[in-house]
Amino acid sequence: GQSLEQPSEVTAVEGAIVQINCTYQTSGFYGLSWYQQHDGGAPTFLSYNALDGLEETGRFSSFLSRSDSYGYLLLQELQMKDSASYFCAVRSGAGSYQLTFGKGTKLSVIP
Amino acid sequence: GAVVSQHPSWVICKSGTSVKIECRSLDFQATTMFWYRQFPKQSLMLMATSNEGSKATYEQGVEKDKFLINHASLTLSTLTVTSAHPEDSSFYICSATGTADYNEQFFGPGTRLTVL
Repeated sequence: GQSLEQPSEVTAVEGAIVQINCTYQTSGFYGLSWYQQHDGGAPTFLSYNALDGLEETGRFSSFLSRSDSYGYLLLQELQMKDSASYFCAVRSGAGSYQLTFGKGTKLSVIP
Repeated sequence: GAVVSQHPSWVICKSGTSVKIECRSLDFQATTMFWYRQFPKQSLMLMATSNEGSKATYEQGVEKDKFLINHASLTLSTLTVTSAHPEDSSFYICSATGTADYNEQFFGPGTRLTVL
């Protein structure tokens, strides 16, 4: 089976840094993705890690440790518009592009 | 970036009727399309995976006779909810992968279905 764990809610102050963790237990693992979803909107792709280490894209960074079955999304210089739900998702097979999503972390950025 | 559209964006229907939702990749060829269902404040649950020209693969617990999926071309997939009931009310989202980068799924804006 597949299971992904991430905190349900996080609150942070504008301008600060926040880290959203994701641990996973899957029958196969090919990579970890992160998606952002604003209320009522579609998920948008943020990052993908297939190998251990840190990937940086602007204010957002994503980290993966395959040996620990763990990853995180790091958001820096938080802005009010970053308030959204963030989902980690596992791609569990090389031949399959299916994603299994975590339950999502609702990030609230406060002034 | 790649754009995926869905139509309609919302629909209200009576119990027992069928509803068709279209998912189109506008500027790329989608070799694979996915259909998800999302209940309020919950995660995206994969319903089925469809590849152009072949039958969809449904996830366990999803009734293939109730949720009909057709992927007739590389730019269009449709989901038909047959004999809809109130418990089918949900947010239905499609996504697509192209040939350039299989690691990213491009999501449509979703369709809010309300069955009365």
